[in-house]
Amino acid sequence: AQSVAQPEDQVNVAEGNPLTVKCTYSVSGNPYLFWYVQYPNRGLQFLLKYITGDNLVKGSYGFEAEFNKSQTSFHLKKPSALVSDSALYFCAVRGSGSARQLTFGSGTQLTVLP
Amino acid sequence: EAGVTQFPSHSVIEKGQTVTLRCDPISGHDNLYWYRRVMGKEIKFLLHFVKESKQDESGMPNNRFLAERTGGTYSTLKVQPAELEDSGVYFCASSQDGWGGPADTQYFGPGTRLTVL
Repeated sequence: AQSVAQPEDQVNVAEGNPLTVKCTYSVSGNPYLFWYVQYPNRGLQFLLKYITGDNLVKGSYGFEAEFNKSQTSFHLKKPSALVSDSALYFCAVRGSGSARQLTFGSGTQLTVLP
Repeated sequence: EAGVTQFPSHSVIEKGQTVTLRCDPISGHDNLYWYRRVMGKEIKFLLHFVKESKQDESGMPNNRFLAERTGGTYSTLKVQPAELEDSGVYFCASSQDGWGGPADTQYFGPGTRLTVL
């Protein structure tokens, strides 16, 4: 069975500072990893994904994520946070088997303080 | 290009009543998924359509839930009769790849917030 852990329910960071939202995963075979963001009263928006290749993946709105196979982690990062980045962030994983559904973490609420 | 749309955005019903949620995927997307998030917990998979066929319905909680995708276009999810524990946000997603490969990106709709009283 596959699983995702987002150890922090809430992350607070000052505007202009770097931010990190943590994610670890467990899956059989090669992992396919995704980050989604949910703004208030909006649906989930795709940010970025890791399939294979370069461990640093760049995505929308200046976000990037680093895949670390030995630590089974896929942390989301941004060099300089904006107040508008405040939202709920979900990490998700899918294995390379026949099942196509995503398995999500419980979400991390990011608040960027002005 | 229009995104995934869901209707209604909110639904409040009483226990024992029936509710039908609708999802319109991105045009041309063969794969359609239903998920739900209950009580602020993880987003959980319900089922997966490839065109009009149910590819995987392993996440459907019980036989009170019925999903259809007529003609491989829009999909409906009916809950009959609704129970208190069915309250949550129901998300629909679609993806393009004909066989829903593992790297295929799923694009989500805004969700339907269901409240069962």
